[in-house]
Amino acid sequence: QSVLTQPPSVSAAPGQKVTISCSGSSSNIGNNYVSWYQQLPGTAPKLLIYENNKRPSGIPDRFSGSKSGTSATLGITGLQTGDEADYYCGTWDSSLSAEGVFGTGTKVTVL
Amino acid sequence: EVQLVESGGGLVQPGGSLRLSCAASGFTFSSYEMNWVRQAPGKGLEWVSYISSSGSTIYYADSVKGRFTISRDNAKNSLYLQMNSLRAEDTAVYYCAREGPSDSCDYWGQGTLVTVSS
Repeated sequence: QSVLTQPPSVSAAPGQKVTISCSGSSSNIGNNYVSWYQQLPGTAPKLLIYENNKRPSGIPDRFSGSKSGTSATLGITGLQTGDEADYYCGTWDSSLSAEGVFGTGTKVTVL
Repeated sequence: EVQLVESGGGLVQPGGSLRLSCAASGFTFSSYEMNWVRQAPGKGLEWVSYISSSGSTIYYADSVKGRFTISRDNAKNSLYLQMNSLRAEDTAVYYCAREGPSDSCDYWGQGTLVTVSS
């Protein structure tokens, strides 16, 4: 089971904004950087956000990230049909032994 | 262009073994840490294992510890995952992913499907 909790789904109309939360603890989000990934149907995940709020080259500024305490948030503005995908947060956990952890995943639906 | 190409997946019986490979190109493989991440059918992402650039530091998820072994050959630009004592719950698409800035996975392969079934 994932130690990072995300809402199963969010939805909005084209052009609107959605936010996805990722809740963890002091052993993971609280003391490590958070990344966000987009997985379009049938494809491999793609890095959207790293170091909590930085975008790799080529990722539009419609995507943004933030972190506060033991939670992180991904925001998508100007929602497009091409944004329909699963989104995952990820970080490192150092509670017992070091290990990577991903969120439970959130399905974004464009209405 | 960074490319990661996994191979070695297939159908294996419970208790069997399989070795996955990931061929890297387009970057200096020996300078990067690498990960294996899997995704069971219709499920979310699960981190499996990490290896440092030199291979000296390795971590595993508890679910595979003692059964899976990660390794790399920097001379061959290749990453491996030896999977033993396979179980039905190991059925998944296995991705290799390059460790990018700040512990992110910045490049992913297309994945290889492992099916454990009798």
